[in-house]
Amino acid sequence: DAGITQSPRHKVTETGTPVTLRCHQTENHRYMYWYRQDPGHGLRLIHYSYGVKDTDKGEVSDGYSVSRSKTEDFLLTLESATSSQTSVYFCAISDREVETQYFGPGTRLLVL
Amino acid sequence: GQNIDQPTEMTATEGAIVQINCTYQTSGFNGLFWYQQHAGEAPTFLSYNVLDGLEEKGRFSSFLSRSKGYSYLLLKELQMKDSASYLCAVIDSNYQLIWGAGTKLIIKP
Repeated sequence: DAGITQSPRHKVTETGTPVTLRCHQTENHRYMYWYRQDPGHGLRLIHYSYGVKDTDKGEVSDGYSVSRSKTEDFLLTLESATSSQTSVYFCAISDREVETQYFGPGTRLLVL
Repeated sequence: GQNIDQPTEMTATEGAIVQINCTYQTSGFNGLFWYQQHAGEAPTFLSYNVLDGLEEKGRFSSFLSRSKGYSYLLLKELQMKDSASYLCAVIDSNYQLIWGAGTKLIIKP
């Protein structure tokens, strides 16, 4: 398995608070992705990164921001959490753009 | 718009064969993935098809027809551990991965 960790694994927070999720990889892969997964939906891309300090928006980026200051770390921030952001968040990595993505274990976020 | 269709749920018997279908309408095509996801866990890679035809990997095979916008995942000699969701995903012309909602496969003894 690819060396990908996510922290925290579970979090409960209140509406209006900022939340930061961390993805850490030891594979030195160039591409990193943040997805959310909700019942009845496929995985939806929030943001992705194609290198240090190089990021772009995905399908559902509103209310989220990201940063990548090192190859191994990709942070996802919910600027002001809302109940609609209750979800399971997965980080993924790939070595090239058109290549298999490997997923981290996920973070379950509950916004009350 | 872009769309990937999979059955929501399927049931099969241990030891049998099951075929999970995936049809897609996307802006361009650069490959199709199948992933397995056990409940509460991360998706894990099963197969990748970019050319028409059948790719076999042990008990699992994946088929692609680009002209029909169609793929299927074939699971043989089903085991209880195969109970999981199976996700189909297509790489579009912008090299974005478009995901289906997944098919929950239930295996009965």
